[in-house]
Amino acid sequence: DAGVTQSPTHLIKTRGQQVTLRCSPKSGHDTVSWYQQALGQGPQFIFQYYEEEERQRGNFPDRFSGHQFPNYSSELNVNALLLGDSALYLCASSQTTGGKGTDTQYFGPGTRLTVL
Amino acid sequence: GNSVTQMEGPVTLSEEAFLTINCTYTATGYPSLFWYVQYPGEGLQLLLKATKADDKGSNKGFEATYRKETTSFHLEKGSVQVSDSAVYFCALRRNRDDKIIFGKGTRLHILP
Repeated sequence: DAGVTQSPTHLIKTRGQQVTLRCSPKSGHDTVSWYQQALGQGPQFIFQYYEEEERQRGNFPDRFSGHQFPNYSSELNVNALLLGDSALYLCASSQTTGGKGTDTQYFGPGTRLTVL
Repeated sequence: GNSVTQMEGPVTLSEEAFLTINCTYTATGYPSLFWYVQYPGEGLQLLLKATKADDKGSNKGFEATYRKETTSFHLEKGSVQVSDSAVYFCALRRNRDDKIIFGKGTRLHILP
């Protein structure tokens, strides 16, 4: 049973560019959450997708957007990259029960984004 | 607001020593509490969790008890191994809200 997978593993971009990160959830999971983990910090919640819609959002600017596909996989897009966007981006998948409220979140290995 | 505060690291111990990593939280209502572990180069793994007051979560020799009176969820292990070297994150999730709020993490080094 494959766990949560993310691609790419590493990515280097320059300021002002745009980036797309991808996540495939664990088998049987229908909900995907994205987190940003800056160096030496704990992960910060970006947003969560369920039924192809953004269900919750953290304190991140509109430059951060996402998408969920019918197969439950998800993308995170960041526009107009800033140096401060350099971080490990983690995807977590879970199963939504009863229409709201998710079970345990399982994390992928992350994508390391470096902005120069 | 809701937050998690955990002891700063790094924490360095010898193999077979007793481990405590302190964690306190601030939250409205009755959150669920978690400890996640991050091994070098890997994502987060759920280590243990507790969903209500006085619950004890345990896994792989690690334990933590949900103390509502002291708003704490300290992580303990009686005898650490070199393989326990990692970063440990205390976290909470409000019952009505699905996002997880993490502490800053505590790096643990175990010396052979």
